Amino acid sequence: SAVISQKPSRDICQRGTSLTIQCQVDSQVTMMFWYRQQPGQSLTLIATANQGSEATYESGFVIDKFPISRPNLTFSTLTVSNMSPEDSSIYLCSVRRTGSDTQYFGPGTRLTVL
Amino acid sequence: AQKVTQAQTEISVVEKEDVTLDCVYETRDTTYYLFWYKQPPSGELVFLIRRNSFDEQNEISGRYSWNFQKSTSSFNFTITASQVVDSAVYFCALSSTGANSKLTFGKGITLSVRP
Repeated sequence: SAVISQKPSRDICQRGTSLTIQCQVDSQVTMMFWYRQQPGQSLTLIATANQGSEATYESGFVIDKFPISRPNLTFSTLTVSNMSPEDSSIYLCSVRRTGSDTQYFGPGTRLTVL
Repeated sequence: AQKVTQAQTEISVVEKEDVTLDCVYETRDTTYYLFWYKQPPSGELVFLIRRNSFDEQNEISGRYSWNFQKSTSSFNFTITASQVVDSAVYFCALSSTGANSKLTFGKGITLSVRP
């Protein structure tokens, strides 16, 4: 497994502002992923973040709204830009090590947009 | 396209009862992985098990057991002698094999265990 931390753990933000969520892993990993979980819903993949390349976004998610950075093999950030109440969700990062087929998840960031 | 169906949305049991959570999947891949994750009220997603498509042996881990039936495309999860701490949302998920594989989640089952 991997030890994954996320900051902040929760936040309440105003409409129109942006929030950057950090994901830190205790060891180098190849693949990092960002998910959104809207209230009472399942997880939806936002994008895959690989070190040294642009993130790959899923259908319905765009870089202008959810810019992602992956500066090294242990860290990634997701920014939720120009937020609206519909962005209120839990945002989770996950990692998968090279040679492993299991994704492990961070504790999540609970975002409320007023 | 891959799909995971968890037809049960909410289950409520009394402590010490056994409970089975159903999962049915669809995939065109010949090799794939199946997973169960637990999400307690705190929100983190806890990995429980991964099963390879070529391994149909059932697995038991303490009070947890998993029944993989490739013929019916099902991967069911049974909790024996349930406890209040088992109360959580349980997700079944599916992925292809390979470096770029992605997880497809079911909608989740909310399990409430009453004392």
